[in-house]
Amino acid sequence: KQEVTQIPAALSVPEGENLVLNCSFTDSAIYNLQWFRQDPGKGLTSLLLIQSSQREQTSGRLNASLDKSSGRSTLYIAASQPGDSATYLCALKAAGNKLTFGGGTRVLVKP
Amino acid sequence: EAGVTQSPTHLIKTRGQQATLRCSPISGHTSVYWYQQALGLGLQFLLWYDEGEERNRGNVPPRFSGRQFPNYSSELNVNALELEDSALYLCASSLSRGVGPSEAFFGQGTRLTVV
Repeated sequence: KQEVTQIPAALSVPEGENLVLNCSFTDSAIYNLQWFRQDPGKGLTSLLLIQSSQREQTSGRLNASLDKSSGRSTLYIAASQPGDSATYLCALKAAGNKLTFGGGTRVLVKP
Repeated sequence: EAGVTQSPTHLIKTRGQQATLRCSPISGHTSVYWYQQALGLGLQFLLWYDEGEERNRGNVPPRFSGRQFPNYSSELNVNALELEDSALYLCASSLSRGVGPSEAFFGQGTRLTVV
């Protein structure tokens, strides 16, 4: 059974600092990995998708890496802004096509 | 292009009643997924529909059921509502399973409150 862990559960940084969010998983037999953002009480916004054969993806200030051998993915957010405050979730898609989510990291960027 | 749309936004029901939640996928998407996010808990997979058929079901009681229509929109039905069914219900869509694993896009959710 796939287990996905995100540590830390919460993170507070001053504006301008780079954010590093971690996601670890137990089964490397995945199709892809997605990073999402969730604002309180809202739905999920897809940030980046990394296919199983890829090592990283970039979009603007966001960069995500995937290392299946170690069961890890990292989301980097450069030069954080108060608007980046949200909960960030990683999710893995594997056999059965369902997404298995981590518990999320709640991020607060202080002005 | 419209994203995944869910209705209603909020729903208040009494324990024992039935709730029906609706989801319209992104145009061109045939796969629809349902997830439950109870307050303070993680996202739990409920159901996956693709091209009109139920393809996968999470570890949920039979009270949870659904269907997918010919236009690929979907309904989630929850019968005999219990207080612990109170949660944010999220729908996601993606391309057909025949295309291979593709990016999932989520709606804004339906907040179900059972009193």
